[in-house]
Amino acid sequence: AQKVTQAQTEISVVEKEDVTLDCVYETRDTTYYLFWYKQPPSGELVFLIRRNSFDEQNEISGRYSWNFQKSTSSFNFTITASQVVDSAVYFCALSEARGNNRLAFGKGNQVVVIP
Amino acid sequence: EAGVVQSPRYKIIEKKQPVAFWCNPISGHNTLYWYLQNLGQGPELLIRYENEEAVDDSQLPKDRFSAERLKGVDSTLKIQPAELGDSAVYLCASSSGQGSYNEQFFGPGTRLTVL
Repeated sequence: AQKVTQAQTEISVVEKEDVTLDCVYETRDTTYYLFWYKQPPSGELVFLIRRNSFDEQNEISGRYSWNFQKSTSSFNFTITASQVVDSAVYFCALSEARGNNRLAFGKGNQVVVIP
Repeated sequence: EAGVVQSPRYKIIEKKQPVAFWCNPISGHNTLYWYLQNLGQGPELLIRYENEEAVDDSQLPKDRFSAERLKGVDSTLKIQPAELGDSAVYLCASSSGQGSYNEQFFGPGTRLTVL
């Protein structure tokens, strides 16, 4: 069964600091997809990034970057030079290719950016 | 392009009363999802539709919950009768394809309070 663990619950940073969110996943499928979503106070989850299990290349997209390591089943996410608008709950999620399109979410990380 | 629309945004009812939530997905999205999000948790799938067919309802408590998507567009989720433990946010999402790699677009949710 698919499972996602986000250990940290609330993370506070001062504006312009970097913040890294940890995500560890479990799956028996060899083909799967990892996602990060952002949930601002308005409540609407916003898609941020996606990675498939065959592509471990780490990338940077604007102020977002991610570190995908299959060897440790981790998919960590970093916000560089944080801004107050980054304050939100961030969810890591996993979808297995044979998992009926079911997204398994972690419990989320509450990020608070202090001005 | 309009996003996923949900109504109402908030609903307060007394236990044992019925309640219904409505969702209009993004135009052209054939796949529709209903999720339950408890406080401090990630969303959990209740039901997934491909057009008008419920293809994954294994996590829907069918004794009190029901859903429909009659014309393959809008969807309604109903609880009858509501219990105190049903207090949560009910999220609707849609995606353009059936694959596990497809990103899901979420609505703002309906926050239900059962008194």
